[in-house]
Amino acid sequence: DQQVKQNSPSLSVQEGRISILNCDYTNSMFDYFLWYKKYPAEGPTFLISISSIKDKNEDGRFTVFLNKSAKHLSLHIVPSQPGDSAVYFCAARGGGPGGGADGLTFGKGTHLIIQP
Amino acid sequence: DTEVTQTPKHLVMGMTNKKSLKCEQHMGHRAMYWYKQKAKKPPELMFVYSYEKLSINESVPSRFSPECPNSSLLNLHLHALQPEDSALYLCASSLTSNYEQYFGPGTRLTVT
Repeated sequence: DQQVKQNSPSLSVQEGRISILNCDYTNSMFDYFLWYKKYPAEGPTFLISISSIKDKNEDGRFTVFLNKSAKHLSLHIVPSQPGDSAVYFCAARGGGPGGGADGLTFGKGTHLIIQP
Repeated sequence: DTEVTQTPKHLVMGMTNKKSLKCEQHMGHRAMYWYKQKAKKPPELMFVYSYEKLSINESVPSRFSPECPNSSLLNLHLHALQPEDSALYLCASSLTSNYEQYFGPGTRLTVT
């Protein structure tokens, strides 16, 4: 039972253009969503997050949008740079009986490739 | 300092060995986590410690034994592991369980 889904295993975008990574979830108890970036042989690096009471959060080139009614969130990166090439994980928190003390539930990741 | 450190980076152990993974953070975070990540899969939560108390154990076999000796340290004791336990073991911490988690680089474990 996959509660957080990233349906695109990979995405190729030209340098300078916008990258849009998508994520869907099924558990309406999730209250906090995060995006992580991961390079091979390294731990995930926190990028940006959004609370379920908001619909948008922006930090520099990164913007996360949340559509609660559709149970969908997306990460926009603009402009895309070669260093953005990595695996991006969508994660959600709060879906279990522990409430805020839960760990994160991750999607399977999307491999973003920025082409020069 | 936003660093979570993990030692060792790599570990090879036999099925009869006992070993420990270590995780440390000096950010004053009071929640710490262990995750397991198999190749081409997302990280999966194993344990959550909140204020040095185990709050979540995601049905992890008893051959994995976590320990939180103080607010900066988190250990994972390993005993009688199986080859299928080979994976990247990630430690993370957050200010409290309501904040974003910061991950260490992981320990690559191979069980032979």
